[in-house]
Amino acid sequence: NAGVTQTPKFQVLKTGQSMTLQCAQDMNHNSMYWYRQDPGMGLRLIYYSASEGTTDKGEVPNGYNVSRLNKREFSLRLESAAPSQTSVYFCASGGDWMDTEAFFGQGTRLTVV
Amino acid sequence: KQEVTQIPAALSVPEGENLVLNCSFTDSAIYNLQWFRQDPGKGLTSLLLIQSSQREQTSGRLNASLDKSSGRSTLYIAASQPGDSATYLCAAQKGAGANNLFFGTGTRLTVIP
Repeated sequence: NAGVTQTPKFQVLKTGQSMTLQCAQDMNHNSMYWYRQDPGMGLRLIYYSASEGTTDKGEVPNGYNVSRLNKREFSLRLESAAPSQTSVYFCASGGDWMDTEAFFGQGTRLTVV
Repeated sequence: KQEVTQIPAALSVPEGENLVLNCSFTDSAIYNLQWFRQDPGKGLTSLLLIQSSQREQTSGRLNASLDKSSGRSTLYIAASQPGDSATYLCAAQKGAGANNLFFGTGTRLTVIP
C-alpha cells in the first residue's frame, strides 16, 4: 500500500526559482493537506482541500499556491522561492472526521539558497 | 489559537525503562488528541487517537491518557526499546478535518541499549 506519496524527496532551489511539490494518495480520501515543519516549531498548515475542486488557506499560505488536480492529487507551488521557505514539507490526507486519523507522506526537504 | 507544548524537548533513557512524555494544550475544547511518531527523514505515523469522550487509549506498550479539564495528555511507554527512539509529536484537534490539527514541537526520545 503506497498511502501518501510525495515527490521529490529533496530539492535545492535558488532564490526566485519556482517549483511544484507533488502529492498523491491512494486511499480515496476526500481531504488533503500541506504542512511545513521548521526547527523549534510544530507543523503548520499551509493549505488544505476538503474535497476535489476546493482549496482553503491554512495558517501560513503566503508565497504558496495549490491545485487539487483530482481526488488523488494535491500539488503545492512556490512561484518565487525565498530562503524563508527552506523547510520540510509534508502532505497528508484523510482525517475527515473527528475520530479518524490523517496519513502523512514522507516529506520533501527543500532548501532555498 | 490553540497552543500545544511538549516538555521535555529531548529525553534519553536506558533500555527497559518505563517513561512518560507530556503534552499540554491551552484550549480544552478539543475533539481529540493524537500522538504521532516521526523517524528521522520520514513522515508521521499515527500511534494513538483519544477522542474527547475518552480518558485513555492503549496499543501494545503504549498508553495515552487525556485530561481535558487540565489541558494535558501523557504518552506512557513501557519497557522501552532502542527501536522506540524517534520524535514523538502530539496534536490537538479542534474540529473535524486535519486542518484543525495543532501540533506540538515534539519530544526527541533516545533509548540507549
